[in-house]
Amino acid sequence: GDSVTQMEGPVTLSEEAFLTINCTYTATGYPSLFWYVQYPGEGLQLLLKATKADDKGSNKGFEATYRKETTSFHLEKGSVQVSDSAVYFCALRRAGNMLTFGGGTRLMVKP
Amino acid sequence: DTAVSQTPKYLVTQMGNDKSIKCEQNLGHDTMYWYKQDSKKFLKIMFSYNNKELIINETVPNRFSPKSPDKAHLNLHINSLELGDSAVYFCATAGEGTLTDTQYFGPGTRLTVL
Repeated sequence: GDSVTQMEGPVTLSEEAFLTINCTYTATGYPSLFWYVQYPGEGLQLLLKATKADDKGSNKGFEATYRKETTSFHLEKGSVQVSDSAVYFCALRRAGNMLTFGGGTRLMVKP
Repeated sequence: DTAVSQTPKYLVTQMGNDKSIKCEQNLGHDTMYWYKQDSKKFLKIMFSYNNKELIINETVPNRFSPKSPDKAHLNLHINSLELGDSAVYFCATAGEGTLTDTQYFGPGTRLTVL
């Protein structure tokens, strides 16, 4: 079945450091791909998405490119802030508009 | 106005009890979901409803019974609670057409079974 694999956290960075969170997927066809973010004590929010190969999703300085050749959708940000500290989830959309999530990666940014 | 709301936010109860969690959305979406997030933050879909009808039940024990009295509400009733039911439960919604790509999540209900 479909699955999503993310790098395990926590990822601890200093403010203004470069961020990469790896995400790879296994799926039939070319599903839409997403990054959701969960701030402490809150529900998940959509951060960005890409619906087809080579699409780049971007939002709030975060970017991810849909790479079908490597079945990857890595999340990047050039300069993280303390306010980016959260748990990040990679997900794919499968039949029935169901989301399959990766295990989540906790990011901690220190001043 | 909160788009997707859940009550209660916290729920502490004893094993064997029956409890309900409520979800309400004001987005006018047709599809609603329940997810379970365990202590390691792993998220798994439980149910999907469309227009008050159950679409998907992801092999959830029949102690869990979702009920949708109308399009804006999807409640989760849990019978005979077990320790392993302790988790955070999230309600989510999705619209139609191109909007179905994005799901909107509620703030979660933290259930603790003692």
